[in-house]
Amino acid sequence: EIVMTQFPATLSVSPGERATLSCRASQSVTSNLAWYQQKPGQAPRLLIYDASTRATGIPARFSGSGSGTEFTLTISSLQSEDFALYYCQQYNNWPTFGQGTKVEIK
Amino acid sequence: QLQLQESGPGLVKPSETLSLTCTVSGGSISSSTYYWGWIRQSPGKGLEWIGSIYYSGTTYYNPSLKSRVTISVDTSKNQFSLKLSSVTAADTAVYYCARPRDVLGPTLIWGPGTLVTVSS
Repeated sequence: EIVMTQFPATLSVSPGERATLSCRASQSVTSNLAWYQQKPGQAPRLLIYDASTRATGIPARFSGSGSGTEFTLTISSLQSEDFALYYCQQYNNWPTFGQGTKVEIK
Repeated sequence: QLQLQESGPGLVKPSETLSLTCTVSGGSISSSTYYWGWIRQSPGKGLEWIGSIYYSGTTYYNPSLKSRVTISVDTSKNQFSLKLSSVTAADTAVYYCARPRDVLGPTLIWGPGTLVTVSS
């Protein structure tokens, strides 16, 4: 099983600031990585797939980068609706998820 | 627009079989481009991929759950189903039905989820 580690566990950011979330795989997943956003009481929503491709309808302030074992999700200017939980998922092998990063208001 | 909706009992007794159904609307479950899957989320284990199925019936299961899981498709009802046998408290979770991009790919569409509690 490929273990996905996300850090930090919690990120405190002011609205309008930039947020950088990290995800590390225990072995190479090439570019087979996705990012999801989840709000309380809702299902996750796909933001980024194939490490850097934005899903349909996702604003340009969300961007993904990385390959191999190190990945980053950047939110360029945080809006009020962006405060949520974020998960990474690899699908190079049997799909596994990270434990999540909570982005909270500073 | 494709939508998914889970249904089934919210309470299951230990050692029994958990059974859930996902109804697909806004599209045909028999589309040759679609895979279908189940994911669960619990406070203890986080998000966990259970398995996926192609409309033809070809299945792919999480190795850690494979011995207890069955996913099937009913094209006449535009539904697919999950059965998880011999459940324990560790199977208590929110269960999501989902449409992945491909057999093991990113999940494009999620159902709203349904909480299943395993308790006597």
